[in-house]
Amino acid sequence: DIQMTQSPSSLSASVGDRVTITCRASQGISNYLAWFQQKPGKAPKSLIYASSSLQSGVPSKFSGSGSGTDFTLTISSLQPEDFATYYCQQYNSYPRTFGQGTKVEI
Amino acid sequence: EVQLVESGGGLVQPGGSLRLSCAASGFSFSSYRMNWVRQAPGKGLEWVSYISTSSSTIYYADSVKGRFTISRDNAKNSLYLQMNSLRAEDTAVYYCARGNDFDIWGQGTMVTVSS
Repeated sequence: DIQMTQSPSSLSASVGDRVTITCRASQGISNYLAWFQQKPGKAPKSLIYASSSLQSGVPSKFSGSGSGTDFTLTISSLQPEDFATYYCQQYNSYPRTFGQGTKVEI
Repeated sequence: EVQLVESGGGLVQPGGSLRLSCAASGFSFSSYRMNWVRQAPGKGLEWVSYISTSSSTIYYADSVKGRFTISRDNAKNSLYLQMNSLRAEDTAVYYCARGNDFDIWGQGTMVTVSS
């Protein structure tokens, strides 16, 4: 199975900050990497697929990059609605696997 | 509106069974691969199962293999998860999610396995 490791597990940031979350795969996954945002008590929401493609309706302050084993999610200017937990996921092979999550707190 | 709505969760005793449903609307359900994902209380996301458009290809997480069965009815725009021999560790919110990149998720249904 491919292990996905996110760092950091949590971070504290302020409104307006630029935030970067890293995701590392235990083996190469090409660009089959997705990012999700989850707020407490809500279902996950898809932000990015294919490492860097924004889902429809997702604001451009979110961006993704990477290929192979190392990936990043960047939020260019953190807003109050962005405080949430973020997960990466590989869909290169089965079983699909998620990172452990990164909680972005004020 | 593109939507997935799960149902069928509830409280069940260890060793019991439940059948979850996921009703799709607003898109051509038969054209999309589908998945089940779960989240135990306070924990991260865990992929559970996958089914192809024609049901010809199915995968399961090792943690549920042999106990859970995924299926779909394209005529009814519905996805199912039959869960047997339930254990306490199966307690979670269960989500259905669309496609290879999980672009659409349902709101989830809670399954609690407890005596």
